[in-house]
Amino acid sequence: GESVGLHLPTLSVQEGDNSIINCAYSNSASDYFIWYKQESGKGPQFIIDIRSNMDKRQGQRVTVLLNKTVKHLSLQIAATQPGDSAVYFCADDKLIFGTGTRLQVFP
Amino acid sequence: EAGVAQSPRYKIIEKRQSVAFWCNPISGHATLYWYQQILGQGPKLLIQFQNNGVVDDSQLPKDRFSAERLKGVDSTLKIQPAKLEDSAVYLCASSLGPSPYEQYFGPGTRLTVT
Repeated sequence: GESVGLHLPTLSVQEGDNSIINCAYSNSASDYFIWYKQESGKGPQFIIDIRSNMDKRQGQRVTVLLNKTVKHLSLQIAATQPGDSAVYFCADDKLIFGTGTRLQVFP
Repeated sequence: EAGVAQSPRYKIIEKRQSVAFWCNPISGHATLYWYQQILGQGPKLLIQFQNNGVVDDSQLPKDRFSAERLKGVDSTLKIQPAKLEDSAVYLCASSLGPSPYEQYFGPGTRLTVT
């Protein structure tokens, strides 16, 4: 069946460093991808999205890259802060979520 | 702007009992979603409403789960009878319209079935 998966369950970074969270998808017909951030005890929160006709999209401190050739997208967080500590999910337009990557930021 | 409200926040029941969750979406949001999130996994879509009509319920275990949105605003999700594997967080989300409109999630209801 269709799937959206993440490469690493946990990512630990030092405060101030850049973080890169990866995601692979299987449905080449997916037209739209979204990154969510989920803090403990809360629902997922929209971070940034990208349409399949784009390769890159930038937000505030975040950038999403889409490589349709290898069905891969990544979320880059610049100057990672303690408040960025959370689980990050990618999802496609079929509302299929990946397993999630836990980002831990240490001082 | 008020967010998506859900109640209760926590519920503990025994297997074979029934339980209901309530969701109040953001005012004006036509699309409402229910997700199941098992510990350590991503949310799984159970059902999607557009106003008071069902758009997608392909992953809803219809033998025990039911959901309704009678007036196109609030929604309830029911499980009857509950099984141990139903232990999860049940998330409600709403959006102005279907994908790609941004979804806003509620805090979820944590269900423990013993």
